[in-house]
Amino acid sequence: DTAVSQTPKYLVTQMGNDKSIKCEQNLGHDTMYWYKQDSKKFLKIMFSYNNKELIINETVPNRFSPKSPDKAHLNLHINSLELGDSAVYFCASTKEGQGLSSTEAFFGQGTRLTVV
Amino acid sequence: SQQGEEDPQALSIQEGENATMNCSYKTSINNLQWYRQNSGRGLVHLILIRSNEREKHSGRLRVTLDTSKKSSSLLITASRAADTASYFCAPKGRGSSNTGKLIFGQGTTLQVKP
Repeated sequence: DTAVSQTPKYLVTQMGNDKSIKCEQNLGHDTMYWYKQDSKKFLKIMFSYNNKELIINETVPNRFSPKSPDKAHLNLHINSLELGDSAVYFCASTKEGQGLSSTEAFFGQGTRLTVV
Repeated sequence: SQQGEEDPQALSIQEGENATMNCSYKTSINNLQWYRQNSGRGLVHLILIRSNEREKHSGRLRVTLDTSKKSSSLLITASRAADTASYFCAPKGRGSSNTGKLIFGQGTTLQVKP
C-alpha cells in the first residue's frame, strides 16, 4: 500500500481551467502539507493542515484552495489556471500531535502540472 | 522562520569520494531532518537528529548537529552514482506553535560521477 498517494501524476491543461489534485495518506498522520516545486528545485510550502485545521497559508494566490474533508485527505483545487502555475506539486504528511515530537514526513510521488 | 539553508547549492564528486552538505537555520529547534529527492520523485526521509543529539549514523550517512552554531551537516561516505540526488534539510521548531511547519530550502544538488 502506498503511504501517501496523490492523483493525478500528470496534469496538462489550458489556461483558465479549474483543476483539482487529490492526496490521501493511510498512515494515521494528523498533519498534511502541500508544497510547490519549481524548475529551480526550491520546495515552497503552500499549506498545512493539522487535524483538518488550516495551520499555514503562505502567500499563495486565492485561486488555490485546499480542502481537508478528514485527517486522511488534503485536496488542492486551483481556479483559473495560469502559465506560472506550472510546477510539480507535492503532498506530504507527518504525525505532529499535541505534545509529541514530530516524526518524519512521507511524501507523495508528485503531480506535474503543465498549463498551456 | 524555521527554514534551513543548504550549502553548497551544487556539489560534484567522483564515485568513492565523500560528500558533505551543510544546513544552517535561525531559531531553536526540536529536531532537524534530512531528506533526499531523486529526479522526478518525492522526498524521502533519511535521518532525524534531535536537539539533544550531536551525531547520528545510518549506514554511509553521518549527520552532526551543533545547536550553538545553529548548523547541521550531512556526510555521505564512499559515495556511489546512485547517491546522485538533491538533499534537503528541515529544521523543526519546538512546541505546538510549530505544528504544521516543516519548511525546506533550495537543497543541495549532488552529482556523483562514475
